[in-house]
Amino acid sequence: DIQLTQSPSFLSASVGDRVTITCRASQGISSYLVWYQQKPGKAPNLLIYTASTLQGGVPSRFSGSGSGTEFTLTISSLQPEDFATYYCQQLNSYPLTFGGGTKVEIK
Amino acid sequence: QVQLVESGGGVVQPGRSLRLSCAASGFTFNSLPMHWVRQAPGKGLEWVAVITYDGSNEYYADSVKGRFTISRDNSKNTLYLQMNSLRLDDTAVYYCARQTPAVPFDYWGQGTLVTVSS
Repeated sequence: DIQLTQSPSFLSASVGDRVTITCRASQGISSYLVWYQQKPGKAPNLLIYTASTLQGGVPSRFSGSGSGTEFTLTISSLQPEDFATYYCQQLNSYPLTFGGGTKVEIK
Repeated sequence: QVQLVESGGGVVQPGRSLRLSCAASGFTFNSLPMHWVRQAPGKGLEWVAVITYDGSNEYYADSVKGRFTISRDNSKNTLYLQMNSLRLDDTAVYYCARQTPAVPFDYWGQGTLVTVSS
């Protein structure tokens, strides 16, 4: 099974900060990686797919990069509505797996 | 508009069974693979199972293999998850999600809570 390691698991930041979250895969997954945002009590919301393609309706301050085993999600200027938990997921092979999540909180 | 609505959750004793449903609307259900994903209280996301568009293939997480069965009725636009031999650690919110060729996991249901407790 492919393991995804997200870092950090917790992040404290201020509005306007640039934030970067990393997701490392235990083996190469090409660009078969997606990123989600999840707020308490809600289903995950797709932000980015194929590692770097922005889902429709997602603000352009979100961006993704990487391929192979190392990926990043960047929020260029953190907004109040961005405080949430972020997950990566690999779609390269079954069983599909998620990273452990990164909780972004207000400093 | 695309809608996925889960139902069937509730409180069940360890060892018992439960069947979840996911009613789909607003898209061509019989053309897409469908997934179940779960989230234990306060924990991260865990992929559970997938079924191909025509029901011909299924894949499962190791944690549920042999106990859970995913199925679909394309005539009713409904996805199912039959959960047998339930354990305490199956307690979670269960979500269904669709996978399109272009954009995977773009729509999710609101989730249904399954609580396994004696």
